[in-house]
Amino acid sequence: TQLLEQSPQFLSIQEGENLTVYCNSSSVFSSLQWYRQEPGEGPVLLVTVVTGGEVKKLKRLTFQFGDARKDSSLHITAAQPGDTGLYLCAGAGIYSGGGADGLTFGKGTHLIIQP
Amino acid sequence: GAGVSQSPSNKVTEKGKDVELRCDPISGHTALYWYRQSLGQGLEFLIYFQGNSAPDKSGLPSDRFSAERTGGSVSTLTIQRTQQEDSAVYLCASSFDVWGANYEQYFGPGTRLTVT
Repeated sequence: TQLLEQSPQFLSIQEGENLTVYCNSSSVFSSLQWYRQEPGEGPVLLVTVVTGGEVKKLKRLTFQFGDARKDSSLHITAAQPGDTGLYLCAGAGIYSGGGADGLTFGKGTHLIIQP
Repeated sequence: GAGVSQSPSNKVTEKGKDVELRCDPISGHTALYWYRQSLGQGLEFLIYFQGNSAPDKSGLPSDRFSAERTGGSVSTLTIQRTQQEDSAVYLCASSFDVWGANYEQYFGPGTRLTVT
């Protein structure tokens, strides 16, 4: 069983601060996705990282896939209240071809950005 | 184009009743997934369809849960004899395919099920 641990589980910071959330596993993933979920809505895909060491930027969000493809981080610069939400990482198993049975979700990081 | 839609958005039912949840995937997406999300928990994978076929039903929590997909499009998740522990948000997602980079999943808004 492949498990994804996300940390911290909860984070509340002031607008303008920087933050990093982590997604860790002892398993290797063929790729990893990050989602953001707002209350009453389904998760929305932010990014997919595929190559070990890959860095992707989405405005103030920077996503990194670990060299060994076992972990990932999401860094937010100058956080805004609109960044508030539940951030989920999901990994695709290396042997599964990326099918649903190989997609493992972490429990998420609840992020609150206070104005 | 339209995203994934789910109905109803909210459902309150009495313990012991049957409920049917519906998912309309993005047009052209062959893969469809059902998840359950309980308060404070991550997404619990239930079942996926490739076309009309569900290769693995072992993720369904009990034999009270069943799902079907017809015409490679709409899917229904049925819960028989509902129990209070079935209360959760049921999310549906679809993807172009289940393989490689095409498995990126797009989620619907969910159905919030409350069993009283």
